[in-house]
Amino acid sequence: DQQVKQNSPSLSVQEGRISILNCDYTNSMFDYFLWYKKYPAEGPTFLISISSIKDKNEDGRFTVFLNKSAKHLSLHIVPSQPGDSAVYFCAANDRGSTLGRLYFGRGTQLTVWP
Amino acid sequence: DAGVIQSPRHEVTEMGQEVTLRCKPISGHNSLFWYRQTMMRGLELLIYFNNNVPIDDSGMPEDRFSAKMPNASFSTLKIQPSEPRDSAVYFCASSKTGGYGYTFGSGTRLTVV
Repeated sequence: DQQVKQNSPSLSVQEGRISILNCDYTNSMFDYFLWYKKYPAEGPTFLISISSIKDKNEDGRFTVFLNKSAKHLSLHIVPSQPGDSAVYFCAANDRGSTLGRLYFGRGTQLTVWP
Repeated sequence: DAGVIQSPRHEVTEMGQEVTLRCKPISGHNSLFWYRQTMMRGLELLIYFNNNVPIDDSGMPEDRFSAKMPNASFSTLKIQPSEPRDSAVYFCASSKTGGYGYTFGSGTRLTVV
């Protein structure tokens, strides 16, 4: 039972343009959401997060938007750079009950071409 | 802070052999997670510990897989006997209580031939 879903396995964007990665979740108890970035031969690294009390969080070129009513979040990267090419994982948890366990989507491979 | 340390980075073994993957979590983190990454399933949670106690091992594929955490600074994931379908990248991650996210290790790439 996949509680966090990333329906696009891949995304290709030209350098300088916006990349939008999408994520849907089913568990209404989730109250904290994260994005991880993974390069080949490395472990995933934390990128950005958002609490359910917010609908937007921004960090430089990266912005995460949360729509709780739709159970949907998205990651915007503006402008996209070739170094952003990686697999992006969406994750969520219910901090009150899961001892920190994150539920991950299957990832989206982003390719940024020059 | 050296991060989460996994060893070995790469392991190639023959079918039927025992394989042991090792993980040292970040000092002060009290939760530890073992994941397996495959093309088909993405990041698949195998087992996780809190304060050295296994909390949920429902993701362990079968009895050939076992995991231990004898103390707060060390955990092992053992596969015995190994099979070619176990070939994957195995990640260990640790976190503090509070659910603010994990720190992952660099992973162990296991190849069973």
